[in-house]
Amino acid sequence: DVKVTQSSRYLVKRTGEKVFLECVQDMDHENMFWYRQDPGLGLRLIYFSYDVKMKEKGDIPEGYSVSREKKERFSLILESASTNQTSMYLCASSFASAGSSYEQYFGPGTRLTVT
Amino acid sequence: KQEVTQIPAALSVPEGENLVLNCSFTDSAIYNLQWFRQDPGKGLTSLLLIQSSQREQTSGRLNASLDKSSGRSTLYIAASQPGDSATYLCAVKGNDMRFGAGTRLTVKP
Repeated sequence: DVKVTQSSRYLVKRTGEKVFLECVQDMDHENMFWYRQDPGLGLRLIYFSYDVKMKEKGDIPEGYSVSREKKERFSLILESASTNQTSMYLCASSFASAGSSYEQYFGPGTRLTVT
Repeated sequence: KQEVTQIPAALSVPEGENLVLNCSFTDSAIYNLQWFRQDPGKGLTSLLLIQSSQREQTSGRLNASLDKSSGRSTLYIAASQPGDSATYLCAVKGNDMRFGAGTRLTVKP
């Protein structure tokens, strides 16, 4: 079974803190994604990565950065957390090849509260 | 830009009923469509994936259909159970992946 794990289920941080959210997958997937999910807005893509050290901006990258030093690990960084970044953060991974199904597998999510 | 719509936003049914959840999308140039289940406060669990060349996929009591030309997919749940209560999301994979806002299903005992 594909397994995508996230470092924390719940996090509470203060405004201005630097926050790291980590995601690890064990299926040798090329692609990894970070989404945030907010009521009424659905899932929105923050960043994705299609290879080690490669990254692409999604729909809402402002206030976030990412790091992918190893294939299995994709980190989301909030450089200076703000209250409007309180959200559920979801990591996902998938294969990248044209012959694959592109099926995305999700982690359990991290509920981040910024006070 | 692909837009994905799910109707209804919420649905409440008695146990045992068969039901259909709807998903529509605006751009038919897709690789696949995926249905997910999300329990409160949890991540997404993949239920079914339909490739663009397929018309339907089945898993147990679930059947998903895809009509790419009309931009529609349905998720059919047979003999619903209280354990089916969750939010169901569809996602369409084109150049990127776009998600619907979900249908919140409640199955009452």
